[in-house]
Amino acid sequence: DIQMTQSPSSLSASVGDRVTITCQASQDISNHLNWYQHKPGKAPKVLIYDASSLETGVPSRFSGRGSGTDFTFTISSLQPEDFATYYCQHYDSLPPTFGGGTKVEI
Amino acid sequence: QVQLQESGPGLVKPSETLSLTCTVSGGSISNYYWSWIRQPPGKGLEWIGYISYSGSTGYNPSLRSRVTLSVDTSRNRFSLKLTSVTAADTAVYCCARERWDGPSHVFDIWGQGTMVTVSS
Repeated sequence: DIQMTQSPSSLSASVGDRVTITCQASQDISNHLNWYQHKPGKAPKVLIYDASSLETGVPSRFSGRGSGTDFTFTISSLQPEDFATYYCQHYDSLPPTFGGGTKVEI
Repeated sequence: QVQLQESGPGLVKPSETLSLTCTVSGGSISNYYWSWIRQPPGKGLEWIGYISYSGSTGYNPSLRSRVTLSVDTSRNRFSLKLTSVTAADTAVYCCARERWDGPSHVFDIWGQGTMVTVSS
């Protein structure tokens, strides 16, 4: 299985901050990477697919970049509703695997 | 708006079979792939497997020997059976729609998840 190493596992930030999360794959996955947001008690939500494509309806403050093994996810200006846990996920081969998650806290 | 809802027992005894159903509302089960994903308490997300509307399947090798997925297009739902469960199978189980668009695969709609505890 391809291992996805996500960092940091948690971070504290304030409204308006720029937040960056990294995800590293154990082998080349091209751009086959998605990013999700998960809030307690709610269904996870896809924000970025194919490493850098913004899902329809997702605010433009969310962005992603990278290819190969190294990826980043950025929130340009953190909003109150953005406090959640974020996961990367590859789909380069079966089984798809997820990063360990980054909890973004106030 | 498509929504997914998991249902099934919240408590299963060790060595028994865990059975869950995901009902799709607001849209058709056709033309998509449907997955199960779980998250044990304090641990990461683990993909269990997928089933297409036509019944083709793919499983996580780590669970393949114990997992069966099925689909009921007439009722717009799909199901998971996991046999010989142990405490390690205690987790929140989510169903998700997988959108395949060329080389792109994304879990674009998820259920809220249901907690299943394995305990005697």
